[in-house]
Amino acid sequence: DAGITQSPRYKITETGRQVTLMCHQTWSHSYMFWYRQDLGHGLRLIYYSAAADITDKGEVPDGYVVSRSKTENFPLTLESATRSQTSVYFCASSGRVSEKLFFGSGTQLSVL
Amino acid sequence: KQEVTQIPAALSVPEGENLVLNCSFTDSAIYNLQWFRQDPGKGLTSLLLIQSSQREQTSGRLNASLDKSSGRSTLYIAASQPGDSATYLCAVSPGSARQLTFGSGTQLTVLP
Repeated sequence: DAGITQSPRYKITETGRQVTLMCHQTWSHSYMFWYRQDLGHGLRLIYYSAAADITDKGEVPDGYVVSRSKTENFPLTLESATRSQTSVYFCASSGRVSEKLFFGSGTQLSVL
Repeated sequence: KQEVTQIPAALSVPEGENLVLNCSFTDSAIYNLQWFRQDPGKGLTSLLLIQSSQREQTSGRLNASLDKSSGRSTLYIAASQPGDSATYLCAVSPGSARQLTFGSGTQLTVLP
């Protein structure tokens, strides 16, 4: 089905491990985003991408790495996971900046 | 820095009631405003997007209004149903992908 899909849906890992969260969209949207959602902080932008091979930092980029070699994929890597990175991570996309945002179903990540 | 506030944080109403959710923002230099719905354990779904030049947008039983000068938006839900129970978030954009700012949301419960 067309849309934006995230995997895995749930992930448990240990402190210090590398973790990659996947995001795939089928609309050929130019813009893709990674947000984390935490109680008390709401939604915060981690990284975004305006096109393939163009990425930029958001509000809370430390400890995260992104890449976008293809328009449809925008993986998020936690290089060395910390407990403070326990959160729900959402990927989103839009055709143009400030158009409607389409969100994936999220990845619930627990770092033990 | 833009700040977006949604009050109340939670609202409970009987089925059939018309209701209004509020969103206020501190910087009126916005490009557009979006209202989202989030169901428990799910991603966000964009309901309505209002451009800064518009006063309101309607979709079915939903009507969103925007008053830039006062820094306010309202989401009106007519004839509420239990299926409307969810968290509703607003987000304002200055036209920059990096600076979309979300409110913390209003958790709506519609009682049968």
